[in-house]
Amino acid sequence: NAGVTQTPKFRVLKTGQSMTLLCAQDMNHEYMYWYRQDPGMGLRLIHYSVGEGTTAKGEVPDGYNVSRLKKQNFLLGLESAAPSQTSVYFCASSYPWERPTYEQYFGPGTRLTVT
Amino acid sequence: ILNVEQSPQSLHVQEGDSTNFTCSFPSSNFYALHWYRWETAKSPEALFVMTLNGDEKKKGRISATLNTKEGYSYLYIKGSQPEDSATYLCASLKGGGADGLTFGKGTHLIIQP
Repeated sequence: NAGVTQTPKFRVLKTGQSMTLLCAQDMNHEYMYWYRQDPGMGLRLIHYSVGEGTTAKGEVPDGYNVSRLKKQNFLLGLESAAPSQTSVYFCASSYPWERPTYEQYFGPGTRLTVT
Repeated sequence: ILNVEQSPQSLHVQEGDSTNFTCSFPSSNFYALHWYRWETAKSPEALFVMTLNGDEKKKGRISATLNTKEGYSYLYIKGSQPEDSATYLCASLKGGGADGLTFGKGTHLIIQP
């Protein structure tokens, strides 16, 4: 199993450009999450999904959109990138049914710089 | 306490010494408390997930305790080794558990040989 994978690993955008970050998991997990990690801020939840076709806002959702068209994929979109969105983005997934502790499995991260 | 708070922010420990650090979290609507270990250039990996007041978990030289009534958890490392150097994150899960974790800012541990 590859676990949780993220594409791309690195990206540099100019202000106003758009892009989509892809998260894929092969563990049949129901729940998926997008976090951002900034120096001194820890990990903050952007959006999450509790199943295919459903999404919800987290702590810092502004400027981002998400979609979960397939159970294994969770996409994070930036429609008009801003320098404040320079960050490292982590995707995570969890499987609540057999292990109701919601242990999360993280991807390797995407480092995004917006100039 | 409204947020998840960890202390200290960073810690330098001599190899072979034992150490511990603290996570404080909101005790209301508590569901679970997670500890993750995060090595530089890698992804966070789960160490412990605890749900019950008084829970104690152990993995090798690392152990954790949980007090849900007062809203704190301790992580202990016995006989620190250089490979223990990492950032240790705690995170609180509320309610039914689906809403994602609220993370603390982490304790950055450096083990000096």
